[in-house]
Amino acid sequence: DIQMTQSPSSLSASVGDRVTITCQASQDIRKSLNWYQQKPGKAPKLLIYAASNLETGVSSRFSGSGSGTDFSFTISSLQPEDFATYYCQQDDNFLITFGPGTRLEIK
Amino acid sequence: EVQLVQSEAEVKKPEESLKISCEVSGYIFTAFWIGWVRQMPGKGLEWMGIVYPGDSDTRYSPSFQGQVTISVDKSISTAYLQWNSLKASDTAMYYCARRPEGLNYFDYWGQGTLVTVSS
Repeated sequence: DIQMTQSPSSLSASVGDRVTITCQASQDIRKSLNWYQQKPGKAPKLLIYAASNLETGVSSRFSGSGSGTDFSFTISSLQPEDFATYYCQQDDNFLITFGPGTRLEIK
Repeated sequence: EVQLVQSEAEVKKPEESLKISCEVSGYIFTAFWIGWVRQMPGKGLEWMGIVYPGDSDTRYSPSFQGQVTISVDKSISTAYLQWNSLKASDTAMYYCARRPEGLNYFDYWGQGTLVTVSS
């Protein structure tokens, strides 16, 4: 199975900050990497698919990049509604794994 | 409007059976995969399995193979997740989510079904 790691596991930041989360796959997954946001008590929400594509309706302050084994997710200017947990996810021919998540908290 | 509406929360005892549901609307049920994801209390997301309603092709995570059964009823555009004998460790929130055919992400999610297993 492909294992996913995320860094950091938690992060404190302020409104207006630029933050970056990284995700690493245990083997080459090309660009098959997605990012989700989950707020407490809510279902996850797709933000970025195929490493760098912004899902329809999602703010352009969210972006993603990377390929192969190393990926990053950036929020350019944190807004109050962005404080949540973020997960990366890969799908290697229906062997799907999520990263452990990054909890983004208000400083 | 695409919607995935899951069944209500359940409280069950160990060794009981359970079947939870995910009813979809707003798109052609048989043209998209439906996956199930577990989230244990305070923990992350775990993919359990996925089904293609068009032909009932089903794939399971090795961690959940033999522990649960995923099925569909095309006549009512509903997917199911079933346990034959629940354990306390099955206590979790369970989400269904849609995966477009040929694409590798979940674009729409149900609201979740909380399953509590306690004696």
